[in-house]
Amino acid sequence: ETGVTQTPRHLVMGMTNKKSLKCEQHLGHNAMYWYKQSAKKPLELMFVYSLEERVENNSVPSRFSPECPNSSHLFLHLHTLQPEDSALYLCASSQDYYREVTDTQYFGPGTRLTVL
Amino acid sequence: QKEVEQNSGPLSVPEGAIASLNCTYSDRGSQSFFWYRQYSGKSPELIMSIYSNGDKEDGRFTAQLNKASQYVSLLIRDSQPSDSATYLCAVNRNGGSQGNLIFGKGTKLSVKP
Repeated sequence: ETGVTQTPRHLVMGMTNKKSLKCEQHLGHNAMYWYKQSAKKPLELMFVYSLEERVENNSVPSRFSPECPNSSHLFLHLHTLQPEDSALYLCASSQDYYREVTDTQYFGPGTRLTVL
Repeated sequence: QKEVEQNSGPLSVPEGAIASLNCTYSDRGSQSFFWYRQYSGKSPELIMSIYSNGDKEDGRFTAQLNKASQYVSLLIRDSQPSDSATYLCAVNRNGGSQGNLIFGKGTKLSVKP
């Protein structure tokens, strides 16, 4: 877990706030991911970046805005969220998103987000 | 809707027994299959991956894949209390990279001493 770090670990925000989640990977990987994990629902892939280019956006509302300034850092900018957006947001990284063989995704500890 | 289905459990087994975790998926074109373990309050970690029909063994873990039946399972032999966790089945999205994964809700396993 120490290869992928996330800050903050806990965040409480109002629906009118703007906040950002940060992820940093120290593994030299080329791909980074944002996932959402809600109670009673499967882990959902939100965004994928490969070499700082967004390659997947799984129908995520525009109130979530990702940013990948370099291959080690990934942000998720949040604005005008809804209470149903409260969840655990997990960041992951892997060596190469397009590899043909096993490309293990390493997860960070997550940010527990509560929207009031 | 592409889905991965798992029995949510909890699945309770005695220490030393074999735990059997099952997963079905709807996307017939999926090619990559993964089992992740998630301890309470922790993030998921990959424990097994399988790509071909049949069995794949790694220590006490065996993954089994049957693409015709769209079924993948995980067997844990000699279960230990430390195996108590939620096990997530993940399948790659057909037409996407093998890293574009669809997860099941997970099966909670409890191994009783």
